[in-house]
Amino acid sequence: DGGITQSPKYLFRKEGQNVTLSCEQNLNHDAMYWYRQDPGQGLRLIYYSQIVNDFQKGDIAEGYSVSREKKESFPLTVTSAQKNPTAFYLCASQDSAYNEQFFGPGTRLTVL
Amino acid sequence: KQEVTQIPAALSVPEGENLVLNCSFTDSAIYNLQWFRQDPGKGLTSLLLIQSSQREQTSGRLNASLDKSSGRSTLYIAASQPGDSATYLCAVEDSGTYKYIFGTGTRLKVLA
Repeated sequence: DGGITQSPKYLFRKEGQNVTLSCEQNLNHDAMYWYRQDPGQGLRLIYYSQIVNDFQKGDIAEGYSVSREKKESFPLTVTSAQKNPTAFYLCASQDSAYNEQFFGPGTRLTVL
Repeated sequence: KQEVTQIPAALSVPEGENLVLNCSFTDSAIYNLQWFRQDPGKGLTSLLLIQSSQREQTSGRLNASLDKSSGRSTLYIAASQPGDSATYLCAVEDSGTYKYIFGTGTRLKVLA
């Protein structure tokens, strides 16, 4: 079954903690993306990667970090520097033929 | 700066009605336009992708049209069903940055 998996589904973080959200895809896509979704707002781009070992900041990268050591994996770390991390986080990959984006099921992060 | 608007923000219709969802964008220099469906607490499901050279795409009861010059796209849903209840988002791929810009969505409720 081809697709994108994200884990965990729900994540709770205490103030001052770093947490890492997992994103794995088996679609053989080169490009992967992290978005943040808040109520009443459109998706906002955090980081993206067009190829292994390379990534670029999106529109709201402050307080986040990523790595892309494998084609299949694009983990996102939410650091303690992110002042308002409570949100729904979505990972996507993009096919190179039509630039169509495909999304994972999301991770809901709540700061306690 | 590209902006994507979806009006109305919410819509309720009786079962069986044909309906149109609207998406407008401010810069006609786009590469693709993609329509998605999002169920509560879930990720985005791709419905249709229209390339900039195309005028429309169809999948089952769904038909999406694109008018680049006027900055508009519509998603037509025929014979609506309660299972169509969800939030529908459109996104345009900016031809300058190749990033997708998302609208805030239309929340559709189909009443049985």
